[in-house]
Amino acid sequence: QKEVEQDPGPLSVPEGAIVSLNCTYSNSAFQYFMWYRQYSRKGPELLMYTYSSGNKEDGRFTAQVDKSSKYISLFIRDSQPSDSATYLCAMTTDSWGKLQFGAGTQVVVTP
Amino acid sequence: KAGVTQTPRYLIKTRGQQVTLSCSPISGHRSVSWYQQTPGQGLQFLFEYFSETQRNKGNFPGRFSGRQFSNSRSEMNVSTLELGDSALYLCASSLKAPGQGPREQFFGPGTRLTVL
Repeated sequence: QKEVEQDPGPLSVPEGAIVSLNCTYSNSAFQYFMWYRQYSRKGPELLMYTYSSGNKEDGRFTAQVDKSSKYISLFIRDSQPSDSATYLCAMTTDSWGKLQFGAGTQVVVTP
Repeated sequence: KAGVTQTPRYLIKTRGQQVTLSCSPISGHRSVSWYQQTPGQGLQFLFEYFSETQRNKGNFPGRFSGRQFSNSRSEMNVSTLELGDSALYLCASSLKAPGQGPREQFFGPGTRLTVL
C-alpha cells in the first residue's frame, strides 16, 4: 500500500462548478501538506501548502487538512477551463525536502 | 527572474548506456532536489543537494547518482540504463536549506528520457 493515496480520475466538471480533490495517507509523521498543479509537458507548480490540521484559503482555492482522519482536500471554486490539469497532493515530515506525492488527479473543466 | 532550467528537454538512449541530466536552479537558490515521474509510480524523490552535499536520498539503486557544483547547478547521472528508467526527470530548487522549516520548491519543466 502506498503512503499517499489519490484517485487518478479523470474528474470532469462543467465550467463554474466546484472541483473537489482529496488524498489519504498512512504516515502520521507527515506535518506539511501541499497541492501542486501540473499542466501537460510542464513541471508541477505549487498551489497551496498547509501545516498540520486546518483550512487555508487563497482566492478560488481552499485546502483542508484533517490529521485525525489522515485526509486532505483541495477545493476549486468557480472552475475555469484553464484549471484543466493534473493536481498532485504532496506531504512531508519536518525534513521538508523529501516530498511524498500522490498519483495525481486529472481534472477536465468543460466550457 | 528566470525559473529552473533543465537540459536537455528530451533524450533518447539505448539500454546499457549512461546519461547525464543538468539542472540550473533559480538564482540564489542553493537547494536542488531531483524527482522521477512515471505513469505507474508517479513522482518519486531521488535525492536532494544543498551546498554541494547530498542531504536526502530516496529509494533508488546506486545507478542513480548526482552532484552539485559550487554555483548550485546540479547534475544527475544514470548508468547502465534499463527500459524502466524511461521517465520524466524533474528538478526542483528552493531558497531555504533542508530542515529550515516550510519552504517552497520550484520545479523545472523536466527532461523526458526514453530508453530503447
